[in-house]
Amino acid sequence: DIQMTQSPSSLSASVRDRVTITCRASQSIRRYLNWYQQKPGKAPKLLIYGTSSLQGGVPSRFAGSGSGTDFTLTISSLQPEDFATYFCQQSDSSPYTFGQGTKLEIK
Amino acid sequence: QVQLQESGPGLVKTSQTLSLTCTVSGGSINSGNHYWSWIRQPAGKGLEWIGRVHSSGTTNYNPSLKSRLTISVDTSKNQFSLNLRSVTATDTALYYCARDTLNILTGYYTDTWGQGTLVAVSS
Repeated sequence: DIQMTQSPSSLSASVRDRVTITCRASQSIRRYLNWYQQKPGKAPKLLIYGTSSLQGGVPSRFAGSGSGTDFTLTISSLQPEDFATYFCQQSDSSPYTFGQGTKLEIK
Repeated sequence: QVQLQESGPGLVKTSQTLSLTCTVSGGSINSGNHYWSWIRQPAGKGLEWIGRVHSSGTTNYNPSLKSRLTISVDTSKNQFSLNLRSVTATDTALYYCARDTLNILTGYYTDTWGQGTLVAVSS
């Protein structure tokens, strides 16, 4: 199985901050990397697929980059509604494993 | 707009079979570029990919669960199902059904999720 490791596990930031979350795969997953946002009591929501493609309706302050084993999710200017937990997932090969999550909290 | 709804018992006894159904509405399960998935999340923890099924019946399973797992599809009812045998307390989790979409350039991604159903395993 491909292991996905996110860092940091938690992060405190302020509104209008720029934040970056990293996801590392245990082997190359080319660009088959998706990002999800989950708020308490809710199902995850797709933000970005294929490393950098923004899902419809997702604000442009979210951006993804990377390839191979190293990927990043960047939020350019944090808004109050962005405080949530973020998960990466590889879709290169089954089982389609997730990272352990990054909890983004208000400073 | 496609919506997914999980249904099934909220409590299952240890060593018994956990059975859940996901009903797809607002669209057909018979779509060539979609797989239909199960994902679970223990309380306060991360997401675990369980497996998925295509309308053709093709399945992919997580090897860690494969010996106990069956995922099937009923296209006539627009439903797909999860059966997990010989459950233990470690199978207690929030279970989500979801839709995976294939983009030729970017691969699969899970773009639609059910609300989730909590299943507890207890003796």
